[in-house]
Amino acid sequence: ILNVEQSPQSLHVQEGDSTNFTCSFPSSNFYALHWYRWETAKSPEALFVMTLNGDEKKKGRISATLNTKEGYSYLYIKGSQPEDSATYLCAPPGDYGGSQGNLIFGKGTKLSVKP
Amino acid sequence: KAGVTQTPRYLIKTRGQQVTLSCSPISGHRSVSWYQQTPGQGLQFLFEYFSETQRNKGNFPGRFSGRQFSNSRSEMNVSTLELGDSALYLCASSTDTSYEQYFGPGTRLTVT
Repeated sequence: ILNVEQSPQSLHVQEGDSTNFTCSFPSSNFYALHWYRWETAKSPEALFVMTLNGDEKKKGRISATLNTKEGYSYLYIKGSQPEDSATYLCAPPGDYGGSQGNLIFGKGTKLSVKP
Repeated sequence: KAGVTQTPRYLIKTRGQQVTLSCSPISGHRSVSWYQQTPGQGLQFLFEYFSETQRNKGNFPGRFSGRQFSNSRSEMNVSTLELGDSALYLCASSTDTSYEQYFGPGTRLTVT
């Protein structure tokens, strides 16, 4: 069973602050890593799917990097806004090399952005 | 395109009963996955179906089962409900070529 760890568990920042969180996963036989944003009362929303070592992806003020050799990914939010408040989840697929439909989620980082 | 839909949205059942939840994927998506979310455990993978076949199964007891129909709609069933089965059940669909999973709004199950 894969062990996926995210840190910190929660984060409180002021509007305009930049922030980042970490996702650690097993590096052996790496296949892919998903990042999701989950706002309260909504469905989880896909942010990025990362597959290559050194990958860097960006969506607006949010970006992510991937290091498959050491088994970690960073998610960065530049100039946090209150609407960024959500839980951010990372998840590799459970069977490396198999389908993408059996994601193993970390417990998430809950971000709160104060106006 | 319509998103993933789940019915019912809320459900209250009594211990020992059984329950069936339904998920309709996005049109054209043939993979449907189910997840359970509880406060203590986070989001946990239940099972994945593709073209009416179970492709993967998570670490849940046999009381949890599922199936997928030829139109890709999926159902999950929980028999002999326990208090610990109270959770949000999410389904997600994807194509088999895109890695992204699209989640439905979930079914909130409360077992009393």
